[in-house]
Amino acid sequence: GAGVSQSPSNKVTEKGKDVELRCDPISGHTALYWYRQSLGQGLEFLIYFQGNSAPDKSGLPSDRFSAERTGGSVSTLTIQRTQQEDSAVYLCASSLRGQELEQYFGPGTRLTVT
Amino acid sequence: GDSVTQMEGPVTLSEEAFLTINCTYTATGYPSLFWYVQYPGEGLQLLLKATKADDKGSNKGFEATYRKETTSFHLEKGSVQVSDSAVYFCALSDLTGGGSEKLVFGKGTKLTVNP
Repeated sequence: GAGVSQSPSNKVTEKGKDVELRCDPISGHTALYWYRQSLGQGLEFLIYFQGNSAPDKSGLPSDRFSAERTGGSVSTLTIQRTQQEDSAVYLCASSLRGQELEQYFGPGTRLTVT
Repeated sequence: GDSVTQMEGPVTLSEEAFLTINCTYTATGYPSLFWYVQYPGEGLQLLLKATKADDKGSNKGFEATYRKETTSFHLEKGSVQVSDSAVYFCALSDLTGGGSEKLVFGKGTKLTVNP
């Protein structure tokens, strides 16, 4: 079946603009994760959704970052007033309930803030 | 908090050489341990995992053993191939005490295998 998909694959934006990144998890996967991969910080956890439970937002670096998951499926990560240090590859992953140790990653969105 | 330390490389080997990539961890609970691989131009893929002490994860000729006494999960392969060239990430997930399923990653080790 189809894997995790993310869009856009690349995004270039000007400093100060808002951006939205989209993730479509594998059908039937109840858990969804966002991570960020940057040269300076490596791979960092951002936020985790599991079903209807309150999300774990402990990895969001500032209040400029937010995410939502509508209908338990598609998720959108929003970065407001982008800064150059937000430039990174944003990765989404999903997993089945009870199999959270098997996270399947999407190809990522490369964000460049100029 | 939890953390993972792995040798950063880059590592360059000849085909059929023996590979070891060291990984150690710090965790407040009893984590599960993983190796992920990122081939050029592709997304992260789970390579292998181990969920308790002395477990050995294995896949595609790669192995890693969960060593609680040394808090280590070193990745090994007896004979590497050019196709193994990739970036390898050690990671942990600590569900102990109600922790989240989030993954904590090491910095990654770039492996290049020359013919």
